[in-house]
Amino acid sequence: EVQLVESGGGLVQPGGSLRLSCSASGFTFSNHWMTWVRQAPGKGLEWVASIKEDGSVKHSMDGVKGRFTISRDNAKSSLYLQVNSLRAEDTAFYYCARLADGTSIFDYWGQGTLVTVSS
Amino acid sequence: DIQLTQSPSFLSAYVGDRVTITCRASQGIRNHLTWYQQKPGKAPKLLIYSASTLQSGVPARFSGSGSGTEFTLTISSLQPEDFATYYCQQRNDYPITFGQGTRLEIK
Repeated sequence: EVQLVESGGGLVQPGGSLRLSCSASGFTFSNHWMTWVRQAPGKGLEWVASIKEDGSVKHSMDGVKGRFTISRDNAKSSLYLQVNSLRAEDTAFYYCARLADGTSIFDYWGQGTLVTVSS
Repeated sequence: DIQLTQSPSFLSAYVGDRVTITCRASQGIRNHLTWYQQKPGKAPKLLIYSASTLQSGVPARFSGSGSGTEFTLTISSLQPEDFATYYCQQRNDYPITFGQGTRLEIK
């Protein structure tokens, strides 16, 4: 059974940093692109970043370029999102998701971790 | 960026009704359109990909159609468990974008 479990969220002050993690199991992690999608409370879904199977290619939305970094450790079946210079508008649930083979179809999702940016 | 506009944003319907949600793209995206269902407090769930292909395990009352800039999600006979928010998503180009969502509620 495919499982994705996020962790690392919490309350952080504006300008602060966090490292979000996503632990994967039930599939061959190194065979799939992975992604982060966020959702502000009561709002819609927003794609944040995606990373290729071997980590060699990354894409991210303009609003987080230079502040957020997606990475992965295939030996640990783990996906990460380093979030720096946090702003109030970054407050959201952050979901990791698996991409179906060779596509940007998000076929499995974790339950999310909440990042709250507030002073 | 490719913008996706869903209509309606809110829909109220009865169990057993047939409902259709539309997703319009600001430019052509071939059939690179995906539909997700999200229930309160839960992660989104994949329903339909490549505009019309039903994900394994999704009931056949769900169907999708369209190509280019206009797409539809149809639920043929609403069941109580279908009341949720539905999102379309395009994967034709980066940045990947979602529609604003359609909230489907019981009348």
